[in-house]
Amino acid sequence: GNSVTQMEGPVTLSEEAFLTINCTYTATGYPSLFWYVQYPGEGLQLLLKATKADDKGSNKGFEATYRKETTSFHLEKGSVQVSDSAVYFCALSGLAAGNKLTFGGGTRVLVKP
Amino acid sequence: DTGVSQDPRHKITKRGQNVTFRCDPISEHNRLYWYRQTLGQGPEFLTYFQNEAQLEKSRLLSDRFSAERPKGSFSTLEIQRTEQGDSAMYLCASPGRRDGGYNEQFFGPGTRLTVL
Repeated sequence: GNSVTQMEGPVTLSEEAFLTINCTYTATGYPSLFWYVQYPGEGLQLLLKATKADDKGSNKGFEATYRKETTSFHLEKGSVQVSDSAVYFCALSGLAAGNKLTFGGGTRVLVKP
Repeated sequence: DTGVSQDPRHKITKRGQNVTFRCDPISEHNRLYWYRQTLGQGPEFLTYFQNEAQLEKSRLLSDRFSAERPKGSFSTLEIQRTEQGDSAMYLCASPGRRDGGYNEQFFGPGTRLTVL
């Protein structure tokens, strides 16, 4: 079946540091890939997506590229802010699986001023 | 606001009691998904509907769980004889397009269940 593995946290950074969160997946066919974010006390929000190989999703300064050859979708941001402190979830979905989402375990990121 | 609402937002119950949650998805969207998220984990799929039809149930959904979507609009998730292990956040989601053709999903705020 489908599965997503992402690096465990917490990840603690200083403001303006570079952030990378690794995500790899196992899936049949050609899944779509997503990053969701959960800010403290808030619901799950879609951050970005990529639907085919070599697509780059981007939003709010975050980027992730769909790498089929390495089955990866790593999240990056060049200069984090305190407001980026949150839990980040990598996820995939596929038509063969009814488009249901399979999530990784989440990575907590804490940005200190 | 994603357009998905859930009620109640919080529920505290005693072990052995029955509870029911409601989800109102994005208006006129054909598909509706339920997930469960326990503390420190990613959400896990429970079940989904295409209009009124329940098309798939996860093995996480034991016989004590039942979900319905009687008119193809709102959905309810009932847990009978609750156990402490049922304590979790229950999330509802709508896909990004009315016919469910897009893969991304938009989530409601969730119902946090605590079983004492």
